[in-house]
Amino acid sequence: GAGVSQSPSNKVTEKGKDVELRCDPISGHTALYWYRQSLGQGLEFLIYFQGNSAPDKSGLPSDRFSAERTGGSVSTLTIQRTQQEDSAVYLCASSLSGGSGIYEQYFGPGTRLTVT
Amino acid sequence: KNQVEQSPQSLIILEGKNCTLQCNYTVSPFSNLRWYKQDTGRGPVSLTIMTFSENTKSNGRYTATLDADTKQSSLHITASQLSDSASYICVVSLRNSGYALNFGKGTSLLVTP
Repeated sequence: GAGVSQSPSNKVTEKGKDVELRCDPISGHTALYWYRQSLGQGLEFLIYFQGNSAPDKSGLPSDRFSAERTGGSVSTLTIQRTQQEDSAVYLCASSLSGGSGIYEQYFGPGTRLTVT
Repeated sequence: KNQVEQSPQSLIILEGKNCTLQCNYTVSPFSNLRWYKQDTGRGPVSLTIMTFSENTKSNGRYTATLDADTKQSSLHITASQLSDSASYICVVSLRNSGYALNFGKGTSLLVTP
């Protein structure tokens, strides 16, 4: 079946502009995650959605970052007033569930964001 | 401080040779350890997941080992192929928090003809 998809695959934006990144998880997966991968760094957790529960936003680096998940499926990560340090690959993953169990996370191909 | 340390940072080997990648972690309380393969420009793909009670797990030519006492894991790749060229990421999960993953920075492996 279809895996996790993300769009756009690449995004170049000017400093100060807002950007929206989209993630389509695997159908039926209730858990959705956003990560950021900066050059030479490990993946950094941003936000986690599980079903209809309140999301865990503890990884968002600043209030310029926000995310929503509509209808328990598609998610959008929004970065307002982008800064050059926001340049990174933004990865989305989904899993059958979340919480305390061990669930395989399936990653999308990522969106490479470049802020000029 | 990064709680998951991987070594070496990068590695070059000849096609057909074996190699071993290392992962040391300080994450506690430990739930499970995962190895992912990430091809350039792609998202990570899971190779193995091991709980604290498992010592070894294989996936084809990939064999992961875990020593929960010393908090060390290794990923052994047998008879390497050109397609093994990728970044290999060690990920450790906290107990009772299935989504709280701690990622290493990865080992970049290049397999040459």
